Amino acid sequence: AQSVTQPDIHITVSEGASLELRCNYSYGATPYLFWYVQSPGQGLQLLLKYFSGDTLVQGIKGFEAEFKRSQSSFNLRKPSVHWSDAAEYFCAVGATFGNEKLTFGTGTRLTIIP
Amino acid sequence: DGGITQSPKYLFRKEGQNVTLSCEQNLNHDAMYWYRQDPGQGLRLIYYSQIVNDFQKGDIAEGYSVSREKKESFPLTVTSAQKNPTAFYLCASSNVDRAVYNEQFFGPGTRLTVL
Repeated sequence: AQSVTQPDIHITVSEGASLELRCNYSYGATPYLFWYVQSPGQGLQLLLKYFSGDTLVQGIKGFEAEFKRSQSSFNLRKPSVHWSDAAEYFCAVGATFGNEKLTFGTGTRLTIIP
Repeated sequence: DGGITQSPKYLFRKEGQNVTLSCEQNLNHDAMYWYRQDPGQGLRLIYYSQIVNDFQKGDIAEGYSVSREKKESFPLTVTSAQKNPTAFYLCASSNVDRAVYNEQFFGPGTRLTVL
């Protein structure tokens, strides 16, 4: 069975600073990896996804993530955060085609300070 | 506007009562999902359905029931057997295309509080 670990429960960064959110996964085959963002009291919005190919994937809102098979990681990055990036971020791993069950990490809450 | 609608946004019920949460989608997706979200625990899958009149249990199905009589609708009933029903409930949908991986789209959620 697959699993996802987000080791940072809460991160605080200054506006304009760079950001990296960590995600480690466990899965026996090639994983399908996702990052979602959730504003308070809202649903989840997909930031980016990795299925295959180029290990550096670009997403919406200036985010990118890099898949590193050797480290079982899929860390999310942004070079310069904006106050509107404050939210909760979830990493998720999916299994096989045709059975799109997702396993989510516990999330990382991002706070932006002026 | 295509999307997923969940109603109501906030729901209050007395302990021991069953309650049904609505989820409707107009994305023409075959698959629909229900997740439960608790602080610090991420999202956990309750039930999912890949086709009308068929559904499977997820990781935490005990105390919940679902139906899938129409493609666009996937209501979730939280029964009195669910020991800790207070949570944020999210519905999602996706295509089911065996040739590609199909991402899930999420609704805005319903916050259920049992008093």
